[in-house]
Amino acid sequence: SAVISQKPSRDICQRGTSLTIQCQVDSQVTMMFWYRQQPGQSLTLIATANQGSEATYESGFVIDKFPISRPNLTFSTLTVSNMSPEDSSIYLCSVVTLGELFFGEGSRLTVL
Amino acid sequence: GQNIDQPTEMTATEGAIVQINCTYQTSGFNGLFWYQQHAGEAPTFLSYNVLDGLEEKGRFSSFLSRSKGYSYLLLKELQMKDSASYLCAVRDRSTGGFKTIFGAGTRLFVKA
Repeated sequence: SAVISQKPSRDICQRGTSLTIQCQVDSQVTMMFWYRQQPGQSLTLIATANQGSEATYESGFVIDKFPISRPNLTFSTLTVSNMSPEDSSIYLCSVVTLGELFFGEGSRLTVL
Repeated sequence: GQNIDQPTEMTATEGAIVQINCTYQTSGFNGLFWYQQHAGEAPTFLSYNVLDGLEEKGRFSSFLSRSKGYSYLLLKELQMKDSASYLCAVRDRSTGGFKTIFGAGTRLFVKA
């Protein structure tokens, strides 16, 4: 299995600001993903974080709003830019190890 | 694209057996996962099926029929702690990479 640490675990943010979420994995992994889980909803894939190249975004998500970095095989960041109350959600980092998809504990953002 | 359907809610009695169904449509099927998620927590891995048939793991079993685009999760000897959301997820490789797409989840209520 993989141990995934996310920071911050939760935050309250003001409208119009940006917040960067960090994801650290205890081993090198090829595939890292960022998901969003809005209140009462299931998980929606935002993007695949590619090491050394630009992230691959899913329909409905754009780089200007959710810039992602992946400088190496154990670390990634997701920034939620110019936040609005609709961005209030749990953001989850996940990795694939030995065929299984593991999740971090999530970062719960509340935008006022 | 992908489409994953599962019932929104189910209720069952402690000690009973419950089956949660999932149907899916995808062009690049590469495996099906079941996750359990308690409120306020990250999803935890339950099972992974890539070949047809039944996979049993303690009180939990998962079945897959690729030709029918169908899976189910079987929970035996239900306990109150099994009250949670159960997420069906499909790994897809049709876009050149590997990504896991989640269904909306089934909220299971276990009553005494």
